[in-house]
Amino acid sequence: KAGVTQTPRYLIKTRGQQVTLSCSPISGHRSVSWYQQTPGQGLQFLFEYFSETQRNKGNFPGRFSGRQFSNSRSEMNVSTLELGDSALYLCASSAGQPSDGYTFGSGTRLTVV
Amino acid sequence: AQSVAQPEDQVNVAEGNPLTVKCTYSVSGNPYLFWYVQYPNRGLQFLLKYITGDNLVKGSYGFEAEFNKSQTSFHLKKPSALVSDSALYFCAVRETQTGANNLFFGTGTRLTVIP
Repeated sequence: KAGVTQTPRYLIKTRGQQVTLSCSPISGHRSVSWYQQTPGQGLQFLFEYFSETQRNKGNFPGRFSGRQFSNSRSEMNVSTLELGDSALYLCASSAGQPSDGYTFGSGTRLTVV
Repeated sequence: AQSVAQPEDQVNVAEGNPLTVKCTYSVSGNPYLFWYVQYPNRGLQFLLKYITGDNLVKGSYGFEAEFNKSQTSFHLKKPSALVSDSALYFCAVRETQTGANNLFFGTGTRLTVIP
């Protein structure tokens, strides 16, 4: 079956702009989680959506937001981009149970200039 | 609060030798533990998990990990390293008592297998 699809793969934006990243989970998976990966901070949890509801949220400013649609596809939005937002953004899907692992997408590499 | 420590940023091992990548954790209650591997410019790939039962867990690509509750460790092992095992390895924990479903990741260990 198809894996987790993230689009776009690469993105270059200017400070102050906003950006929307997309994630299509594995068919049947209702949970989508987003992580920010940087060399200095490692993998930082942004938020998790389950059945269109935000179930859990990490410690990121309000500029970072997300949503999930009825088909489980998810988007995350970052407004007023800062240089420090440059990172690999990873989406992970799961069936949503605590014993389930994640299946990750290949990520979106965001560069803010 | 949950935490995961991977004490070694870098592990070098000769091809054919056994490898160990270390992980210790701190959670309330019983943990769910996971190992992932990341190749350059890719997402993370699932290797194995410990939920309950046998402390020795076998996973993909010949990897295994041993859950040690008294030492709060979950070290990743492989009997004979391959050059293709060179990658970034992440240990992760999910706390089962708080209801939070997210995985908390360690900072990663870069494994280099020397031919």
